[in-house]
Amino acid sequence: SQKIEQNSEALNIQEGKTATLTCNYTNYSPAYLQWYRQDPGRGPVFLLLIRENEKEKRKERLKVTFDTTLKQSLFHITASQPADSATYLCALGSSGYSTLTFGKGTMLLVSP
Amino acid sequence: EPEVTQTPSHQVTQMGQEVILRCVPISNHLYFYWYRQILGQKVEFLVSFYNNEISEKSEIFDDQFSVERPDGSNFTLKIRSTKLEDSAMYFCASRAQARTSSYEQYFGPGTRLTVT
Repeated sequence: SQKIEQNSEALNIQEGKTATLTCNYTNYSPAYLQWYRQDPGRGPVFLLLIRENEKEKRKERLKVTFDTTLKQSLFHITASQPADSATYLCALGSSGYSTLTFGKGTMLLVSP
Repeated sequence: EPEVTQTPSHQVTQMGQEVILRCVPISNHLYFYWYRQILGQKVEFLVSFYNNEISEKSEIFDDQFSVERPDGSNFTLKIRSTKLEDSAMYFCASRAQARTSSYEQYFGPGTRLTVT
């Protein structure tokens, strides 16, 4: 069955450093991969999408890489800030109706 | 900025009762979804809806569940006879039309359903 794994433990980093979150998957050939941010008690908020034929995508302080051979995506937040503290969700999708399959998420804590 | 809205924010119901969760997707979006998240667990897909019919559904979406788009703006999820294990956060999401090749989904704030 499809499986998506994200760092299960919280990631603690200091303000100003780069946070790197990992998403690994098995038994899946996604057409694209998305990263979402989720704050406690709130809905996921879309951040970035990367397609299967793309290696890297950037948006402001965010960078996503996608390696379909390794079946892995890395999500980077540079110059992290305490306001970046949240849970980050990896989600895989195929084309068509684009149903998303989510990982459990990684909690990021950025301390001042 | 347009956003997905959901009502109510919190619904408490007794086991066996029917509940209707309501969503107003972003106005020019054509694909609609319901997901749920049990406390401490991952977001799980329930159902997708396009062109006034269900396009995909998960194993969770059994005969107790139904969806409807009763008018041009609302999108509802009905649970006919709630069980304790239906307690979760329910998220509605919408997506723009395929022609834009835009696969990102926009989620509402969720309805917390508590079944007692």
